[in-house]
Amino acid sequence: AQSVTQLGSHVSVSEGALVLLRCNYSSSVPPYLFWYVQYPNQGLQLLLKYTSAATLVKGINGFEAEFKKSETSFHLTKPSAHMSDAAEYFCAVSEGYGGSQGNLIFGKGTKLSVKP
Amino acid sequence: NAGVTQTPKFQVLKTGQSMTLQCAQDMNHNSMYWYRQDPGMGLRLIYYSASEGTTDKGEVPNGYNVSRLNKREFSLRLESAAPSQTSVYFCASSRPGTTPYGYTFGSGTRLTVV
Repeated sequence: AQSVTQLGSHVSVSEGALVLLRCNYSSSVPPYLFWYVQYPNQGLQLLLKYTSAATLVKGINGFEAEFKKSETSFHLTKPSAHMSDAAEYFCAVSEGYGGSQGNLIFGKGTKLSVKP
Repeated sequence: NAGVTQTPKFQVLKTGQSMTLQCAQDMNHNSMYWYRQDPGMGLRLIYYSASEGTTDKGEVPNGYNVSRLNKREFSLRLESAAPSQTSVYFCASSRPGTTPYGYTFGSGTRLTVV
């Protein structure tokens, strides 16, 4: 069964520092992988997705993620943190696009704090 | 372009009361989902509807029922609310195709059961 593990429930960085949020997945077939962001008291918004094209995926707000099959990882990075990046980030996996295979399985989330 | 609309945004129930959470999407999406979000637990799937006329259980269906009223609307019903159902509930929709498009989420319903 597919699953997602996000390492670190809380990550704190200084403004201007590198952001690295870790995600490892487990899947029996080539997965589709997603990162979502949730700002306080809001719904989830898609940041980026990997769907078996380029392994380096660029998303909104300067974020990117690299799919590494050998490491079963899909870590999210941003070169320089901004105060507005403070939010909770969720990694998600699915194994297909129809029926239950298309359902997204979410990690438990990583809360990012940005210090001035 | 409203996307996914959930009502109500906030609700307080007494134990044993019933209520229905409403969700509607205007993107002509086929699939719709109900998740609950609890601190430290991420999002867990309650029920989903792959297409109009079908519904299936997710990871945590106990205590809930759903209705896919038409292509636009997918409601979640709590027949007898319990304090363990205190949570934030999110509805989402997606457009299956040759590659997954990800989900579009509503803004959530904060439910407290006392």
